[in-house]
Amino acid sequence: DAKTTQPPSMDCAEGRAANLPCNHSTISGNEYVYWYRQIHSQGPQYIIHGLKNNETNEMASLIITEDRKSSTLILPHATLRDTAVYYCIVRGDRDNNAGNMLTFGGGTRLMVKP
Amino acid sequence: DTGVSQDPRHKITKRGQNVTFRCDPISEHNRLYWYRQTLGQGPEFLTYFQNEAQLEKSRLLSDRFSAERPKGSFSTLEIQRTEQGDSAMYLCASRENSWTEAFFGQGTRLTVV
Repeated sequence: DAKTTQPPSMDCAEGRAANLPCNHSTISGNEYVYWYRQIHSQGPQYIIHGLKNNETNEMASLIITEDRKSSTLILPHATLRDTAVYYCIVRGDRDNNAGNMLTFGGGTRLMVKP
Repeated sequence: DTGVSQDPRHKITKRGQNVTFRCDPISEHNRLYWYRQTLGQGPEFLTYFQNEAQLEKSRLLSDRFSAERPKGSFSTLEIQRTEQGDSAMYLCASRENSWTEAFFGQGTRLTVV
């Protein structure tokens, strides 16, 4: 799976949009971009994923550049409860011996401030 | 609640003791994963089951670690002769297919004193 690069930390004001960047310059054609987040002392939680089109769900929007070498997760109106570590993960859609497991990097620690 | 359940949530043990953790995945999910997470790091893959078969083990999984999923439902992770370096959060995840989203449990936090 391709490697991802994320800033280690970011701050965001409550009520404002949080834009979390991710670089994945070695992504290959069949690899998806996944985002998970982990709130303190909890397990990771799935947020959203996409291949090449922008995606939106009730939690967030995912913007993938046309060359697919980077993406941005957007939380449109951040709340204090969005304070968490956000992981950007690139993963193929085909099974392998490890069941297509997720490979986590260090993630971005987002601090939403009042 | 039909999410992934892990038990116990917290475990404190003395060095050298054996510990066992349990994971109950979402019922229709045949894929089950164990991860370990140390402070400030992302989760690291330990092992993977498809139904009752353990198909992959990370080199992080030393001989003191053993995992089972006897009937393809719940899974256990045992650590023998615990060491202080085993202190971590142990996470379990399940998914229906290899390309669908994974659901994680709340984790078991192990402290070895």
